[in-house]
Amino acid sequence: GAVVSQHPSWVICKSGTSVKIECRSLDFQATTMFWYRQFPKQSLMLMATSNEGSKATYEQGVEKDKFLINHASLTLSTLTVTSAHPEDSSFYICSASGSGGETQYFGPGTRLLVL
Amino acid sequence: DAKTTQPPSMDCAEGRAANLPCNHSTISGNEYVYWYRQIHSQGPQYIIHGLKNNETNEMASLIITEDRKSSTLILPHATLRDTAVYYCIVRVKPSGSARQLTFGSGTQLTVLP
Repeated sequence: GAVVSQHPSWVICKSGTSVKIECRSLDFQATTMFWYRQFPKQSLMLMATSNEGSKATYEQGVEKDKFLINHASLTLSTLTVTSAHPEDSSFYICSASGSGGETQYFGPGTRLLVL
Repeated sequence: DAKTTQPPSMDCAEGRAANLPCNHSTISGNEYVYWYRQIHSQGPQYIIHGLKNNETNEMASLIITEDRKSSTLILPHATLRDTAVYYCIVRVKPSGSARQLTFGSGTQLTVLP
């Protein structure tokens, strides 16, 4: 149980385009989802927290207008990187937590390369 | 959430037990110890968590000292597939809504053939 999927697993796009990444909890209802970003040889850094039906809470330094997060249902959250630039190239990972919130389960990650 | 300290890297022979230490000397009474691991180019995988009692599951054992200032994750029979970065995270138990996990640098465990 407690499986989280992400789609796509990797994406290459041109600078200036927008990219949408989906995060799904497959066998549980995720009241809270988190979006992390990981640059090479670094640890995961939290970008934002989203609760189903509410606006996402962004960490300091993360532009909410650039990284659009939607958590419209208990099994799906999306992250849209708008007007992507090469410096946005990174490994984006989501995690999901049920109503108890005790344990987070992570998706496999999405590798984004912006040319 | 309390800060944790882990060695940056460790080696372990295949088939032997891997013992990964973690110091969390500022842990408070309502904080849990969580362990996750991240295999290269994958998302983190939950391993185990505990409050003060030792815990065991199909993946590992978690030994927490009586004063709770340190803990050890034990992989009883390490395999090559256990090579990963292991993260020890201390976090208050959520009440009603989830809290984010704060990842440190972790320990790079390399299992050698």
